[in-house]
Amino acid sequence: AQSVSQHNHHVILSEAASLELGCNYSYGGTVNLFWYVQYPGQHLQLLLKYFSGDPLVKGIKGFEAEFIKSKFSFNLRKPSVQWSDTAEYFCAVGDQAGTALIFGKGTTLSVSS
Amino acid sequence: DTEVTQTPKHLVMGMTNKKSLKCEQHMGHRAMYWYKQKAKKPPELMFVYSYEKLSINESVPSRFSPECPNSSLLNLHLHALQPEDSALYLCASSQDSVTALYEQYFGPGTRLTVT
Repeated sequence: AQSVSQHNHHVILSEAASLELGCNYSYGGTVNLFWYVQYPGQHLQLLLKYFSGDPLVKGIKGFEAEFIKSKFSFNLRKPSVQWSDTAEYFCAVGDQAGTALIFGKGTTLSVSS
Repeated sequence: DTEVTQTPKHLVMGMTNKKSLKCEQHMGHRAMYWYKQKAKKPPELMFVYSYEKLSINESVPSRFSPECPNSSLLNLHLHALQPEDSALYLCASSQDSVTALYEQYFGPGTRLTVT
């Protein structure tokens, strides 16, 4: 069965620090990868997605992620975080045969100003 | 319009009540989903409707009953719930149910409290 691992449960950063959140998945076939963000009291929003092509994908609000097939990873990065990036971040995987997204457990990001 | 709307925003119900959650999208999407989310946890898939037919039921107890009256609407009927069913219920939609091709758009959720 597919699974998604997010290694960082809670990350605490100061404003302007760089961010990298890890995401690994287990599935041998072709997958599509997503990062969703949930700001406090708000709904899940898509940050970025990878379906095919350039493994470095850019999303909204200055986020980017790199798909490394050999490492089964899709890590999220941002060069300089802001207080407004405080949120819950979920990595998700969808496989071509399935109809459901598999979510990781999520990472809570707290940014202090 | 990339919006999925859900009503009500908050719902408090007793264990003997019957209530319904509603979800609507006008993006022409043919797949709609119900998820349950507990605090600080990822969404857990409950049901998937594809072209108005139930295609996935993730072993959800029968006290949750989904309904898709048309391609834009999705309901979740609730009856005889337990306190542990208290959670945020999320609706999502996508152009098709094949996750390989289409992203899911989420609604703001209904925060349900069962007393």
